[in-house]
Order: sequence, then structure tokens, then C-alpha cells
Amino acid sequence: AQTVTQSQPEMSVQEAETVTLSCTYDTSESDYYLFWYKQPPSRQMILVIRQEAYKQQNATENRFSVNFQKAAKSFSLKISDSQLGDAAMYFCAYSSLSRQFYFGTGTSLTVIP
Amino acid sequence: DAGVIQSPRHEVTEMGQEVTLRCKPISGHDYLFWYRQTMMRGLELLIYFNNNVPIDDSGMPEDRFSAKMPNASFSTLKIQPSEPRDSAVYFCASTAQGDFFAKNIQYFGAGTRLSVL
Repeated sequence: AQTVTQSQPEMSVQEAETVTLSCTYDTSESDYYLFWYKQPPSRQMILVIRQEAYKQQNATENRFSVNFQKAAKSFSLKISDSQLGDAAMYFCAYSSLSRQFYFGTGTSLTVIP
Repeated sequence: DAGVIQSPRHEVTEMGQEVTLRCKPISGHDYLFWYRQTMMRGLELLIYFNNNVPIDDSGMPEDRFSAKMPNASFSTLKIQPSEPRDSAVYFCASTAQGDFFAKNIQYFGAGTRLSVL
């Protein structure tokens, strides 16, 4: 069965600094998708970044980038130049080609002014 | 576009009562998902629909839970009878086939926080 593990329940970062959130997953499939979602206090789940497993190139979206290590089944999120608005819960998610979604338990990110 | 709309935002009920959560997907989306979020288990997929038809309900925890999608613009998740362990945030998400198959992207509502006393 697929599982997604986020081993850091809480993280903090100084404003303008860089922080990396960890995620590992377990799967026997060779093709799949990985995601990072942000959940601010409003509870909305906002897609931050997405990675296709068949692509070796790491995805980037402005200040957000991932380090995708397929062999190690690792998918970390790097936030550069952290801003106060980045404070939220961050969820790592896995989706198989059958469109089943599995989420980690989340990492709460605090941005210190 | 107003996005995925869920109601109510908060629901407080007593054990044994029936609870109905509602979701209006984004217009034109043909996939709809119901998730439950708890501190212990994180975000779990309960059921999803394609063109109003339930495709996979393997995540529905037990017979007390049921979901319907009578038309393309409305879905309900019902819990009868409710129990304290059902307390959680319930999310609805929708997507269009193009976004789903090409990008595997879902669009989430703001969730309903359910408290069963």
C-alpha cells in the first residue's frame, strides 16, 4: 500500500531565509505524481507544486522548488526567501495513475519576522 | 469562478444525530472527491465520483457514512448516526477530466469542521 510520511510535525524559519520540508513515500509503482499542498488557517487546500515521477527534472514554482529523489522515494519542498504569508500547514501527497490520492500528516510551518 | 463551495463551515451536533455535509463543485468539473482530515490520520480519501457516479468508495469508514451526487452541481456526505470519533474536517474537491488526467490536479473547498459531542 502507498504511504506518505512527513517526519517533521513543526518547522520554523526566519523571514527571508530558506527552509526545507521533508517527505518520503512508499510505493511499488513506477509512474505516479507527487504534490505539495499548502493549508493556511482558512483551511483551503492550495496546490503549491506538482512533480511527475517520470520526469527527472525537479519542479519549480517561483520561490518553491522540490528535490525529487526517485530511488530514495524522497520528495522535499524548499521554500526560498520565506515570507510571512508562507506560514501554513504543508501536506505532501502522492497520487497513483489510478488517481488514488494519499496525503501525509502535514508539517506546520511558522515564519518568524 | 467561486471555487468549490462547502456548507456549512462548522457543524456541531450531538452523538446519534444525522449530519449532512454539502458540496458544490466548480462548474464543468466532472470529478468530485470527499476527504476527511484528522490530526491522527491526516487527510484520507473517502469516496470519489465521476459524472455523478461513485467510482471508489473504499475509503468510506463504515455503513454510517453515505455519499450521493444527484446532479453535476451538488453532492452530499451523510453520517447517520454520528459518533464523537467522526469529529474532523471534511473536504470536498473537484476537477475536470483534462486537469485530472493530464495534471492530476484537484481543487479543494474550504472544508466543514464537524464536532460531534
